[in-house]
Amino acid sequence: QKEVEQNSGPLSVPEGAIASLNCTYSDRVSQSFFWYRQYSGKSPELIMSIYSNGDKEDGRFTAQLNKASQYVSLLIRDSQPSDSATYLCAVITGGGNKLTFGTGTQLKVEL
Amino acid sequence: DAGITQSPRHKVTETGTPVTLRCHQTENHRYMYWYRQDPGHGLRLIHYSYGVKDTDKGEVSDGYSVSRSKTEDFLLTLESATSSQTSVYFCAISGYENTEAFFGQGTRLTVV
Repeated sequence: QKEVEQNSGPLSVPEGAIASLNCTYSDRVSQSFFWYRQYSGKSPELIMSIYSNGDKEDGRFTAQLNKASQYVSLLIRDSQPSDSATYLCAVITGGGNKLTFGTGTQLKVEL
Repeated sequence: DAGITQSPRHKVTETGTPVTLRCHQTENHRYMYWYRQDPGHGLRLIHYSYGVKDTDKGEVSDGYSVSRSKTEDFLLTLESATSSQTSVYFCAISGYENTEAFFGQGTRLTVV
């Protein structure tokens, strides 16, 4: 079982819609969860971090964490073509601050 | 942008030669990471460091070694490069336990 799992997509949504990206993790004691966005040919950039159960909102982005279900999600409201990218879920697992990524979900926002 | 510099940015090398990639940071961050990124595999952790001279293996460490003799530098060495190590390599840094990491610009390595 992979430590962090995501659907690879692509996930296609129309402009203005809500995009929902999902991630599951295997280490029950994980405490820190992150979403990164990566444009083709670029480095990953942090867009959200979440540490507690529930929702965390930042502009058009909402991260949701459910530790009991070992599930993290990212909602993007009012999706724009500029949101088209690969979204990477990351979890700190084990000791030494080991940061593990999922394989990423490709999002396409269509006009 | 976090002060992270990877060098070189691009490199072509021959099979069997040793290669060293450098990650240099000016943030005095404790944690440093090396990842490789290949189509369909996302970011895979090679090695990471939680302090000077403190390193540990990630999920794809075979064929790679690392060294961290000072806070600002984390070196990744391919002892004898193989074609399967052709990839984009990213360095990342993090300042505190359980907090986010920031990435360098990446190094594109081609082994021919």
